[in-house]
Amino acid sequence: DGGITQSPKYLFRKEGQNVTLSCEQNLNHDAMYWYRQDPGQGLRLIYYSQIVNDFQKGDIAEGYSVSREKKESFPLTVTSAQKNPTAFYLCASRQSYGYTFGSGTRLTVV
Amino acid sequence: DQQVKQNSPSLSVQEGRISILNCDYTNSMFDYFLWYKKYPAEGPTFLISISSIKDKNEDGRFTVFLNKSAKHLSLHIVPSQPGDSAVYFCAAFRIRGTSYGKLTFGQGTILTVHP
Repeated sequence: DGGITQSPKYLFRKEGQNVTLSCEQNLNHDAMYWYRQDPGQGLRLIYYSQIVNDFQKGDIAEGYSVSREKKESFPLTVTSAQKNPTAFYLCASRQSYGYTFGSGTRLTVV
Repeated sequence: DQQVKQNSPSLSVQEGRISILNCDYTNSMFDYFLWYKKYPAEGPTFLISISSIKDKNEDGRFTVFLNKSAKHLSLHIVPSQPGDSAVYFCAAFRIRGTSYGKLTFGQGTILTVHP
């Protein structure tokens, strides 16, 4: 079955450490997205990529970095510069008007 | 700048009755609107969408209405079931321009359906 895999589901890191969240899709979708969800808020766009080797900042890109070396993969690195990294992170891919979301990664920084 | 707004943080409905979730937007350039259902610690599940050139789309128990002049859309769930209890997000995107394909979400509405 085609879909998006985010791993791990839960991630704990110490403050000041960089951490990379994995997102892999086998849907052959061109566009991929990273969103962040905080309690009581909608999903906010961090970064997106329309094609391989190209990506754009979203609304809250500060403290994050991405790469898109392969069509299937769009990893997100949460750097130590991100002031409030504890959140629920969602990866999505899109082809035409159809979006598919992963099941998310809950990152907790202690 | 909150381009998509869901002004009701929560809604409580009796099983079997109608649930109406509302969403307002400010950007008249949006081409597509979508509704998602989300459980805690899971990804959103697509429910139904509507193109900006239509005013109604129906899929089973779910109907979305779009009022372009009022920049307002609503999701009707009839009849409501306890399994519908979740957070519902309204989202919108453009299919043209530099930000095409980028989803803009509302804040979400928590729907609780009581047996």
